[in-house]
Amino acid sequence: KQEVTQIPAALSVPEGENLVLNCSFTDSAIYNLQWFRQDPGKGLTSLLLIQSSQREQTSGRLNASLDKSSGRSTLYIAASQPGDSATYLCAALYSGGGADGLTFGKGTHLIIQP
Amino acid sequence: DAGITQSPRHKVTETGTPVTLRCHQTENHRYMYWYRQDPGHGLRLIHYSYGVKDTDKGEVSDGYSVSRSKTEDFLLTLESATSSQTSVYFCAIWTGNTEAFFGQGTRLTVV
Repeated sequence: KQEVTQIPAALSVPEGENLVLNCSFTDSAIYNLQWFRQDPGKGLTSLLLIQSSQREQTSGRLNASLDKSSGRSTLYIAASQPGDSATYLCAALYSGGGADGLTFGKGTHLIIQP
Repeated sequence: DAGITQSPRHKVTETGTPVTLRCHQTENHRYMYWYRQDPGHGLRLIHYSYGVKDTDKGEVSDGYSVSRSKTEDFLLTLESATSSQTSVYFCAIWTGNTEAFFGQGTRLTVV
């Protein structure tokens, strides 16, 4: 069974710090990996999508990397702000045709202290 | 949000009653999905659709059925709601460039 694991489950850091969220997956034959943000009581907001042929993607202060050989992805957040507080989810797509959908990790709950 | 609307946004229902949740998209995407999100379990796939009248089961499909009679609408039905189906339900679509987008969710409480 394909599994996605996120470590740590929770993280609290002071404002301004750079931080890394980790995501590991059990099957290197992924089609792509997507990072989401979820605010309490809200839906999922797509942050970054990394195709299997890519090694990283950047959007503003966010940078996501993908290493298929080691089964790992990281989300780097630069100069963290209180508004970054949320749960961050990574999800792997294992089927190029869209069947079976995304396999999700359980998320990292991030708190940025003002 | 890729034009995804879920309805209702909140619902309280009694055990044993049927419940239908609706997902509507405005962008004509082929693939649509229903997930449930529960503490300790994360997001799990219930059913998905790859076209009109084409659907298949996901990881946690027992007690649920789906229908897709039009490209834009994907319905999730709980035939006889149970307390274990109390959850937050999310609809998602998969775009041509492989990015997935989610609706705002439906919070369902079965009492």
